[in-house]
Amino acid sequence: QVQLQESGPGLVKPSETLSLTCSVSGGSISTRSYYWGWIRQPPGKGLEWIGSIFYGGSTYYNPSLKSRVTISADTSKKQFCLKLSSVTAADTAVYYCARHDGVYRYTATFDHWGHGTLVTVSS
Amino acid sequence: QSVLTQPPSVSAAPGQTVTISCSGSSSNIGDNYVSWYQQLPGTAPKLLIYDNNNRPSGIPDRFSGSKSGTSATLGITGLQTGDEASYYCGTWDNILSAVIFGGGTKLTVL
Repeated sequence: QVQLQESGPGLVKPSETLSLTCSVSGGSISTRSYYWGWIRQPPGKGLEWIGSIFYGGSTYYNPSLKSRVTISADTSKKQFCLKLSSVTAADTAVYYCARHDGVYRYTATFDHWGHGTLVTVSS
Repeated sequence: QSVLTQPPSVSAAPGQTVTISCSGSSSNIGDNYVSWYQQLPGTAPKLLIYDNNNRPSGIPDRFSGSKSGTSATLGITGLQTGDEASYYCGTWDNILSAVIFGGGTKLTVL
């Protein structure tokens, strides 16, 4: 059973870069069948897709965040990472990583999720 | 404001049936598959339905999904108190070129 776990700082200062890592166990991220994605949820609000990465490095991002987002993968460590630059209070959210069924067609199917990690943007 | 429109809340008694709607447009629901998620308080979303009407293994057949035109519906039969949660629909939008989610519907089992 694939399991995902987010890790990273819980507090980031405004204008700095948010960095999170997702560690995958019980399976390989070097699979041709799935992308690996990041989704966030501001407190008390809905879900927002940030972007997804294929193990070979191909990425696609939410256009609303694209200018500030970078997602990368380290297949040897079975990890993929999120960097979000120039953060503001509006970026305060629970950040989830998830396995994304989006290789053969565009979908919103995320079948395995991490528990999520709260990142607060504050000075 | 979400591109996909869901009712903010629905309620029903234990044992009854409830439906949750998700309304979109030709650039999203009308042309792509819909997924549904259940989010219990304080937990990560859980995939309930994918490709409009398919259930992952382990999801009881009390949960069902359907799609017609630019709208999708999640149905839950035999409601249980443990079904109290927020439910989200999601799909791809061809114009936005992004995965999008509805605003979520909070289900109360009275």
